[in-house]
Amino acid sequence: DADVTQTPRNRITKTGKRIMLECSQTKGHDRMYWYRQDPGLGLRLIYYSFDVKDINKGEISDGYSVSRQAQAKFSLSLESAIPNQTALYFCATSDDPGQLKETQYFGPGTRLLVL
Amino acid sequence: AQKITQTQPGMFVQEKEAVTLDCTYDTSDQSYGLFWYKQPSSGEMIFLIYQGSYDEQNATEGRYSLNFQKARKSANLVISASQLGDSAMYFCAINGGFKTIFGAGTRLFVKA
Repeated sequence: DADVTQTPRNRITKTGKRIMLECSQTKGHDRMYWYRQDPGLGLRLIYYSFDVKDINKGEISDGYSVSRQAQAKFSLSLESAIPNQTALYFCATSDDPGQLKETQYFGPGTRLLVL
Repeated sequence: AQKITQTQPGMFVQEKEAVTLDCTYDTSDQSYGLFWYKQPSSGEMIFLIYQGSYDEQNATEGRYSLNFQKARKSANLVISASQLGDSAMYFCAINGGFKTIFGAGTRLFVKA
């Protein structure tokens, strides 16, 4: 089984709908992240969490919210989806918190299309 | 603030030849880590190689090596003996201890 899983893998929704993307990990890492990937822009950080009680905004948090339900679970919500939120979304975890060699372990991604 | 610049949107290489993917960075941190990740067409992100800012030797991992030039703030990825399976997007990234910033990526095409 994969160490970092994301559900759903693909989602089509309509403008204005609220949707939730879920991430689970079995790596036992405290740090978790949500990124979005757009062509030509690489990965941009939406939110990150250093532990269950810690949530931090990333570069592009507007229009998104997150919930860290447990060490293993980190959910991303789009409160009212809009077409420019169409993207590939990645969840990631990392080891060695606070160290420079903080390798990221990524989930398989969720392809979201907002019509 | 940290920034990664990858100036090559796309690169072609002949199978079995070496290729260099460019990465320059900007940071005010004294200590930082540099990373390369690979994204095949299937979409997953795969960690390839890491270089610490105070590491004196260039990192190597199998066919991957990182050409680290600290004064020039560059961290180029060298892939030796390219294989068809190396065709993918490659992302350079930097971490200063709190979060990782990624570049826009370079798409590598390996020709048979």
